[in-house]
Amino acid sequence: AQSVTQPDIHITVSEGASLELRCNYSYGATPYLFWYVQSPGQGLQLLLKYFSGDTLVQGIKGFEAEFKRSQSSFNLRKPSVHWSDAAEYFCAVGRNNNDMRFGAGTRLTVKP
Amino acid sequence: SQTIHQWPATLVQPVGSPLSLECTVEGTSNPNLYWYRQAAGRGLQLLFYSVGIGQISSEVPQNLSASRPQDRQFILSSKKLLLSDSGFYLCAAKTIGEWDTDTQYFGPGTRLTVL
Repeated sequence: AQSVTQPDIHITVSEGASLELRCNYSYGATPYLFWYVQSPGQGLQLLLKYFSGDTLVQGIKGFEAEFKRSQSSFNLRKPSVHWSDAAEYFCAVGRNNNDMRFGAGTRLTVKP
Repeated sequence: SQTIHQWPATLVQPVGSPLSLECTVEGTSNPNLYWYRQAAGRGLQLLFYSVGIGQISSEVPQNLSASRPQDRQFILSSKKLLLSDSGFYLCAAKTIGEWDTDTQYFGPGTRLTVL
């Protein structure tokens, strides 16, 4: 069965510092992978997705993620974090119609 | 692009009262529709999904139900709310048959507090 693990429940970084949020997945086939961001009290916004092709994908707001099949990972990165990036981030995996699975989320705090 | 609306944005209900949350989608036809619940400090739990009018699949047995009376309308209901029904309810839609398939887009959510 497919599953997603986000090992870090909460991460704090200083504004301007680099960021990496970890995501590991378990899936029987080549997965579709997603990162979403959720600001407090809001819905989820799609940051980026990987379906196939180039394993380094670019998203909105300066985020990127790299698919590493050998490590079953899809980590999210940003070279310089802004205070407005403080939010909760969800990794998700799925391929077929209705088997999408979400990780438990990583809450990002940005220090001034 | 599609836009997903949810109503109401917030709701406070007493235990044992009924519930009706509405989700409507604009900008696409025949989407797959989903209801998720997000409890405080937790990830997303898929409650129901629908691949067409009148077609509902339940992922988790509970006192909630869902209906899809129209192509772009998805309703989450309960006859009697429990305290454990409190949470943030998210509706999502996925367009089928276009390049950007297999991507779920989310509405703004409804915050439900059961007292």
